[in-house]
Amino acid sequence: EIVLTQSPATLSLSPGERATLSCRASQSVSSYLAWYQKKPGQAPRLLIYDASNRATGIPARYSGSGSGTDFTLTISSLEPEDFAVYYCQHRSNWPLFTFGPGTKVDIK
Amino acid sequence: EVQLVESGGGLVKPGGSLRLSCAASGFTFSTYSMNWVRQAPGKGLEWVSCITGDSKHMDYADSVKGRFTVSRDNARNSLLLQMNTLRAEDTAVYYCAREISGRYFEHWGQGTLVTVSS
Repeated sequence: EIVLTQSPATLSLSPGERATLSCRASQSVSSYLAWYQKKPGQAPRLLIYDASNRATGIPARYSGSGSGTDFTLTISSLEPEDFAVYYCQHRSNWPLFTFGPGTKVDIK
Repeated sequence: EVQLVESGGGLVKPGGSLRLSCAASGFTFSTYSMNWVRQAPGKGLEWVSCITGDSKHMDYADSVKGRFTVSRDNARNSLLLQMNTLRAEDTAVYYCAREISGRYFEHWGQGTLVTVSS
């Protein structure tokens, strides 16, 4: 079973700052990793898939990198609407889909 | 425009049953695998179940296996989740989600809240 670990649990930053979020897999997942944004009362939103591809309509300030076991989501300059919880996710043979525990990006 | 609209949530006693529905529009429903994902209060996202477009394959998280059944009606563009023997720990917002490239969740509904409490 592949386990995803995210760090830090909470990231306190100010608007305009750069956010760097980490996701680590317990074994290699190649580049098959996605990132989602989740705000209270809203549906999750796919940001990045296949580690580095932005989903449709996602602003260029979001970027993803990594392969194997270590991945990074970077928000180059935080906008007020970016304060949310971010989850990484992978599909494997079992369990079919796994999410990381999330990183909360809150306002400093 | 892809739209997914869940319904059927509510308050149910432990041991009870509930059936969730997800109405899909804006795409050829029968050609996509569909999933249920939930989020318990104050917790993270948890995948629950998936079903292929032709209903030939279904799969479940260990936490719901044997209690939940996923199905779909392609003629009516609807995804269903029959939840039996509900437990307090099943309390969550349940989302239906459409897969992309068989690996990720591209489109999500707004969710329906299920509360299991006496």
